[in-house]
Amino acid sequence: GEDVEQSLFLSVREGDSSVINCTYTDSSSTYLYWYKQEPGAGLQLLTYIFSNMDMKQDQRLTVLLNKKDKHLSLRIADTQTGDSAIYFCASLDSNYQLIWGAGTKLIIKP
Amino acid sequence: DADVTQTPRNRITKTGKRIMLECSQTKGHDRMYWYRQDPGLGLRLIYYSFDVKDINKGEISDGYSVSRQAQAKFSLSLESAIPNQTALYFCATSEGGGAKNIQYFGAGTRLSVL
Repeated sequence: GEDVEQSLFLSVREGDSSVINCTYTDSSSTYLYWYKQEPGAGLQLLTYIFSNMDMKQDQRLTVLLNKKDKHLSLRIADTQTGDSAIYFCASLDSNYQLIWGAGTKLIIKP
Repeated sequence: DADVTQTPRNRITKTGKRIMLECSQTKGHDRMYWYRQDPGLGLRLIYYSFDVKDINKGEISDGYSVSRQAQAKFSLSLESAIPNQTALYFCATSEGGGAKNIQYFGAGTRLSVL
């Protein structure tokens, strides 16, 4: 079946930019998503990108999509302690289901 | 109040017991989902329902059953709980017919099976 892969951990210094990467296998994915999970909470949609776009920016968040390489990234500028969370990448498959990555835990160092 | 409410938030049970996890939503969405989350494995789909009469198995439905009592309510049952069903369970909803399938999640139920 289709798959979404991402690193399990990323450690950055407060104030630096964080870049979380994701690769997916389903070339027919129409939408790709980033969700954020804070401790003790459910997942919340951060942003999404349609497959015919290569970039989307929303305040401190920048999503880059390389459809040829099936690579998605999320850049968080000026990372703050409140950005500590697990970030999930997901792709929408042809059966209208979300295929989820394992989640990247973002650790902020002072 | 939360749009997607899961009860209980935490549950400890013993092997062989039957338990039910409940989910209710006030978003008016047709579609509801049950996932389990295990460390390092992400979310895996257990069951999903596109409306009250449409229930489908997901990737890991063995050992689980569901009931869609109303548009707003979707419950997950473990018929005879076993220790490897210890996990964090999430309910989610999405609009019917939307192209993007943006899902909205409850806060989760942490289940421990001893």
